[in-house]
Amino acid sequence: AQSVTQLDSQVPVFEEAPVELRCNYSSSVSVYLFWYVQYPNQGLQLLLKYLSGSTLVKGINGFEAEFNKSQTSFHLRKPSVHISDTAEYFCAVIIQGAQKLVFGQGTRLTINP
Amino acid sequence: NAGVTQTPKFQVLKTGQSMTLQCAQDMNHEYMSWYRQDPGMGLRLIHYSVGAGITDQGEVPNGYNVSRSTTEDFPLRLLSAAPSQTSVYFCASSYSLSLSGNTIYFGEGSWLTVV
Repeated sequence: AQSVTQLDSQVPVFEEAPVELRCNYSSSVSVYLFWYVQYPNQGLQLLLKYLSGSTLVKGINGFEAEFNKSQTSFHLRKPSVHISDTAEYFCAVIIQGAQKLVFGQGTRLTINP
Repeated sequence: NAGVTQTPKFQVLKTGQSMTLQCAQDMNHEYMSWYRQDPGMGLRLIHYSVGAGITDQGEVPNGYNVSRSTTEDFPLRLLSAAPSQTSVYFCASSYSLSLSGNTIYFGEGSWLTVV
């Protein structure tokens, strides 16, 4: 069965510092990969997705992620964070041909001034 | 175009009561699903549907029923609410989950408390 592991439940960083949120998945077949953001008391918003092609994917709000097939990882990065980036971030995966979107446990990103 | 609409946004139930969470989408999406979100556990799939008349179980289906009589609507029923069902519920839809490039749209969430 596919699974998604987000390695950090909480990540505190200072404003304007870089950040990396880590995500690993387990699957023996090809997958589609996603990062979602959830601001307090709101629904989920798609940040970016990897379907195929270039392993470096750029998303909204200056975020990017890199797909590493050999390490089965899809880490999310931003070179300089803002207070407004404070939110919970979810990594998710779909096995190609399947009908289930499986989420990781989430990483709460807190930006300190 | 309203996207995915969930109602109610907030609900308090007593143990043993029944209720239905409504989900509607106006994008003619074939795929609809329900998730529950609990602290430290991410979002877990309850039930999903790949089209009208077709439903299937997800990761945590016990205590919940669904039906899909129309393309637009996918209600989630709690037949006898339990405190363990206190959670935030999200409905999501897509043209087809297994096809590349399809975006999955989420509703704003329904906060349910069972006392």
